[in-house]
Amino acid sequence: AQSVTQLDSQVPVFEEAPVELRCNYSSSVSVYLFWYVQYPNQGLQLLLKYLSGSTLVKGINGFEAEFNKSQTSFHLRKPSVHISDTAEYFCAVSREYGNKLVFGAGTILRVKS
Amino acid sequence: DAGVTQSPTHLIKTRGQQVTLRCSPISGHKSVSWYQQVLGQGPQFIFQYYEKEERGRGNFPDRFSARQFPNYSSELNVNALLLGDSALYLCASSLRGGGRSPLHFGNGTRLTVT
Repeated sequence: AQSVTQLDSQVPVFEEAPVELRCNYSSSVSVYLFWYVQYPNQGLQLLLKYLSGSTLVKGINGFEAEFNKSQTSFHLRKPSVHISDTAEYFCAVSREYGNKLVFGAGTILRVKS
Repeated sequence: DAGVTQSPTHLIKTRGQQVTLRCSPISGHKSVSWYQQVLGQGPQFIFQYYEKEERGRGNFPDRFSARQFPNYSSELNVNALLLGDSALYLCASSLRGGGRSPLHFGNGTRLTVT
């Protein structure tokens, strides 16, 4: 069975500073990896995905993530955050058959001015 | 193009009652999935339907059921509501049913059981 661990429940950061949100996964088979963002009172929006190929993937809103198979990690990064990035971020994994997503518990990113 | 639409947006029910939540996928998407998100937690998988057939079921009791209609819309039913069923119920659609196909989520139905 797959599982996802998001290592930080909350990450406070000042505006224009860089940020990294950490995600580790466990699975006995190859997985696909996703990051979603959830703004208050809304559903989840896909930020980026890793399916295969280049381990560095770029997403929307200036976010990027790096897939590290040996460390089973998929950390999300942004070089300079904005107030509008304040939201909850979820890392998720799925397998080839069926697109059931297993989510982490989420990381709340709080951007301060 | 319209995204995934869910109705109603909010719902208040009493313990023991039954509830039906509705979801319309993005046009052309054939797979619909349902997730439960309890406050402070990540979404938990309930069901996946692809081409009107159940493709997966999460660890939820039989009080939870779902179906997908010929137009690919879906309903989630929950019987004999418990206080613990209070949550945000998210519907997601995808083009295909495999793991490579990203899910597109609606804004959810907030269910409160009193």
